[in-house]
Amino acid sequence: NAGVTQTPKFRVLKTGQSMTLLCAQDMNHEYMYWYRQDPGMGLRLIHYSVGEGTTAKGEVPDGYNVSRLKKQNFLLGLESAAPSQTSVYFCASSYASGGFADTQYFGPGTRLTVL
Amino acid sequence: GQNIDQPTEMTATEGAIVQINCTYQTSGFNGLFWYQQHAGEAPTFLSYNVLDGLEEKGRFSSFLSRSKGYSYLLLKELQMKDSASYLCAVSQSDYKLSFGAGTTVTVRA
Repeated sequence: NAGVTQTPKFRVLKTGQSMTLLCAQDMNHEYMYWYRQDPGMGLRLIHYSVGEGTTAKGEVPDGYNVSRLKKQNFLLGLESAAPSQTSVYFCASSYASGGFADTQYFGPGTRLTVL
Repeated sequence: GQNIDQPTEMTATEGAIVQINCTYQTSGFNGLFWYQQHAGEAPTFLSYNVLDGLEEKGRFSSFLSRSKGYSYLLLKELQMKDSASYLCAVSQSDYKLSFGAGTTVTVRA
């Protein structure tokens, strides 16, 4: 059981370039999330998905797009990278038991620098 | 919106006890999580409280008062490996979390 994995671990982009971050989970979780973490600001939700084929905006969605074509994968795209998108990106997933909140399990993170 | 406050930094001595407070003001409440995050690593789950009271897990305990919008994480018998950031997160539905900025705990010998 690998849990939640993220690809790549590190990336440096130039302003205006595009890239896709891949998140995969093998726990058969229904829900998946993308966060960014910046110093002094905690984790902020970018987009999330409550099931295959669904996506929704989180707290800071501008400049990002996502897709959930398969239940186990959640992709985060940056169409035209900006220096403000320099951050550490975490993917997470959780079970969908309904009612009370479910624990989110995090991937190891992707460290992105935009020059 | 939501407002989740926790201290930025705390320092304690090995073997001591440290209490990290978290206060929240959110529209709706479905439980409160504490996560631990070592530098350069992913957050990992520590505890979950949805009812008032104390939950104990070995050296770690977490307390919740819903009427006061208040929680704390208690770390006992501190060890050097407990040096990390501790994140308070509030759930407002069954799938979304709002995180505080985190409290960095430094354990000194």
